Amino acid sequence: GQSLEQPSEVTAVEGAIVQINCTYQTSGFYGLSWYQQHDGGAPTFLSYNALDGLEETGRFSSFLSRSDSYGYLLLQELQMKDSASYFCAVDDYKLSFGAGIKAAGNKLTFGGGTRVLVKP
Amino acid sequence: NAGVTQTPKFQVLKTGQSMTLQCAQDMNHNSMYWYRQDPGMGLRLIYYSASEGTTDKGEVPNGYNVSRLNKREFSLRLESAAPSQTSVYFCASSEVAGTNEKLFFGSGTQLSVL
Repeated sequence: GQSLEQPSEVTAVEGAIVQINCTYQTSGFYGLSWYQQHDGGAPTFLSYNALDGLEETGRFSSFLSRSDSYGYLLLQELQMKDSASYFCAVDDYKLSFGAGIKAAGNKLTFGGGTRVLVKP
Repeated sequence: NAGVTQTPKFQVLKTGQSMTLQCAQDMNHNSMYWYRQDPGMGLRLIYYSASEGTTDKGEVPNGYNVSRLNKREFSLRLESAAPSQTSVYFCASSEVAGTNEKLFFGSGTQLSVL
């Protein structure tokens, strides 16, 4: 099976930097994703790492070390609107056959989420 | 471009009642998914459909059935609702077999079973 561990809550002030760690144990691994979810909202995609290293997208960066089964999401220059829950998710690639069609779907297994509270 | 649309947004059921959650996407995605999210927890995969004509069980399929009606639509049915199925349900879609798998989520259905 799959399991992912991430801290339950992090508190920081505006303008600060927050790092959310994610460690995983999986039977198959193709990549690590990060999603943001505001209270009452739907998860939205932030980043995806398939290879080791750092991916930067604006104020957010994501890192992966496959050998350590570890990744993190870095939130820089925190803003009040960054108050949300952040989920890491492991990409489990699976082939599915049906109706004579060979198709593939990627199943994501999510961690429990890290609630980030940004204070003025 | 609506993305992923789920109906209804809210539903209250009595134990033993049945209902179907509807989901449709207009992005021409092949893969569709149903997740549930319990308070303060992550999302757990119920069922998924890699393409039209295929469905597979996820992590927590018991008590649910799905139908991939066509490429656009993927419905989730509760045949006999139980209080343990009180949750927020999210439908999602994605491209097939991408190396950069990105899920697009609907706005969710908040279901309460009394």
